Amino acid sequence: QKEVEQNSGPLSVPEGAIASLNCTYSDRGSQSFFWYRQYSGKSPELIMFIYSNGDKEDGRFTAQLNKASQYVSLLIRDSQPSDSATYLCAVNEGYSTLTFGKGTMLLVSP
Amino acid sequence: DAMVIQNPRYQVTQFGKPVTLSCSQTLNHNVMYWYQQKSSQAPKLLFHYYDKDFNNEADTPDNFQSRRPNTSFCFLDIRSPGLGDAAMYLCATSTKTNTDTQYFGPGTRLTVL
Repeated sequence: QKEVEQNSGPLSVPEGAIASLNCTYSDRGSQSFFWYRQYSGKSPELIMFIYSNGDKEDGRFTAQLNKASQYVSLLIRDSQPSDSATYLCAVNEGYSTLTFGKGTMLLVSP
Repeated sequence: DAMVIQNPRYQVTQFGKPVTLSCSQTLNHNVMYWYQQKSSQAPKLLFHYYDKDFNNEADTPDNFQSRRPNTSFCFLDIRSPGLGDAAMYLCATSTKTNTDTQYFGPGTRLTVL
């Protein structure tokens, strides 16, 4: 049974702080990893993806992957109230399908 | 702009009355997916098409069917909706590459009365 685990939150951070979102996965054969943002009542929106161990940066977002520990994280620097949403971690085992976590709710207070 | 479009955005049906949800894409992606998402839950994959090849998830109820008449369109048919089928239905597309990044449409919110 493939599993992707996330803390449901809410994770509360003040505006301007760094938000750290974490995700673990069970399938060692997983090849690619995605972070989606989902506002309430809306569909998931891709933030970024990562395939290789290490860090990948895109603007205020940094994805970190550690395949040995089966762990992927998303850092959001200079958090803004508009970043308040649920963040979904998704894992691809290489067969065109994604396994999603339940998501972590992030609340950024002004 | 290339995009994934879902219609309708909101659908209300009665218990047991068949309903069809549609998805179209201008991305020319060869893989299309249907997900069901209930409140505070992860999106649950129902099925996907890789071109015309249909792939059904093992736990997708028989009540759910899908059609893909061409590359651009995909339909989700719910033959006899129950109260438990009320959810957001998400369509997504991807190319068959090693990225397999999926792009989602806006979703259809289904209410069953």
